[in-house]
Amino acid sequence: RKEVEQDPGPFNVPEGATVAFNCTYSNSASQSFFWYRQDCRKEPKLLMSVYSSGNEDGRFTAQLNRASQYISLLIRDSKLSDSATYLCVVAGGTSYGKLTFGQGTILTVHP
Amino acid sequence: EPEVTQTPSHQVTQMGQEVILRCVPISNHLYFYWYRQILGQKVEFLVSFYNNEISEKSEIFDDQFSVERPDGSNFTLKIRSTKLEDSAMYFCASKGLGTSTDTQYFGPGTRLTVL
Repeated sequence: RKEVEQDPGPFNVPEGATVAFNCTYSNSASQSFFWYRQDCRKEPKLLMSVYSSGNEDGRFTAQLNRASQYISLLIRDSKLSDSATYLCVVAGGTSYGKLTFGQGTILTVHP
Repeated sequence: EPEVTQTPSHQVTQMGQEVILRCVPISNHLYFYWYRQILGQKVEFLVSFYNNEISEKSEIFDDQFSVERPDGSNFTLKIRSTKLEDSAMYFCASKGLGTSTDTQYFGPGTRLTVL
């Protein structure tokens, strides 16, 4: 089983649509969870951390289910600028903080 | 806003040559990392560095690789004898102490092409 597994995608949605990405992780000792976005040939950039209580940042909502080892990201009212690859990222239990990345899900928002 | 910088942005080298990739982490950060991303594949952890020593490394980080913090600002990745399969984007990242747990900030990357 892959350490971090994401929806294969790609997702092609019109502007204004709502889109959801899912992710599962295999290491139950994982302690920190994130969504990063990556534009073509650029570095990953932190989109948001994910907490067990769920958290929202504007149009973005992230959820974590530790029992199911499942993470989700919901994007409402998609914008053209949301087009990117979304990376599900998990960090282990050490303070050194090695990040484990999923393969990424490509989102294209079209007019 | 402070950021991680990396040089060069693109490095082309011949197989068997040594390369040094350079990074300047965010100034008050204490944890430093190298990751790589082969074209079309996921980002993979190489090594973490804290308190002037390697704290964790992956299977990829074999004897051909080394890291160093030669002064108070630079953090380098050396590949001693490059192979074709080392061609990838190499990202440096850093993390502070006392900031949001495990939030790492990435540099723009160095694209390494081995011919």
